[in-house]
Amino acid sequence: GESVGLHLPTLSVQEGDNSIINCAYSNSASDYFIWYKQESGKGPQFIIDIRSNMDKRQGQRVTVLLNKTVKHLSLQIAATQPGDSAVYFCAEKRVGNEKLTFGTGTRLTIIP
Amino acid sequence: GAVVSQHPSWVICKSGTSVKIECRSLDFQATTMFWYRQFPKQSLMLMATSNEGSKATYEQGVEKDKFLINHASLTLSTLTVTSAHPEDSSFYICSARNFGGGQETQYFGPGTRLLVL
Repeated sequence: GESVGLHLPTLSVQEGDNSIINCAYSNSASDYFIWYKQESGKGPQFIIDIRSNMDKRQGQRVTVLLNKTVKHLSLQIAATQPGDSAVYFCAEKRVGNEKLTFGTGTRLTIIP
Repeated sequence: GAVVSQHPSWVICKSGTSVKIECRSLDFQATTMFWYRQFPKQSLMLMATSNEGSKATYEQGVEKDKFLINHASLTLSTLTVTSAHPEDSSFYICSARNFGGGQETQYFGPGTRLLVL
């Protein structure tokens, strides 16, 4: 079936290094993608989004890359900090559908 | 960003009782809110879409008579877990859709942890 999936369930990164979290999606009709950060016991927090007419979008310390050819999405976090430790979810929305479909999540652990 | 609140943040109840969870959009109006459930170490699973002034739309496999949703105003949606059982214990999260600057974004509440004994 259609799904949004993540390549790695866990990722450990040295503090100060850059982190890259990947996500694959299968529905070519998806036109809107969002990355959320969820800390333990809290709700998801919006990080950055991107529409299908773009291939890159930058925020503060974060960059989202979209490759529609291979249906791949990535989140890059620059100079990771201890506060970046969390589970990161990608989510996608399809044209004409108001619902979000979430991926399985990647747990990012920052090593001091 | 926009703020969504939930109340209570956690609740413990006896099996067979009903529990109401509130979701509020604090600084924007939301005609559409969503209710999710999340089990430990799992992703968010959409339960239902709540539309202001109309009936909620439930996802396949979600019992509408067990999970009652009311979206009576543009800033409030409630989820009532009726006759709760231990298997209903979970983390319930709502989100509200906000349109701003020509863009649509879903903002999530902090979640409500339900433990049914």
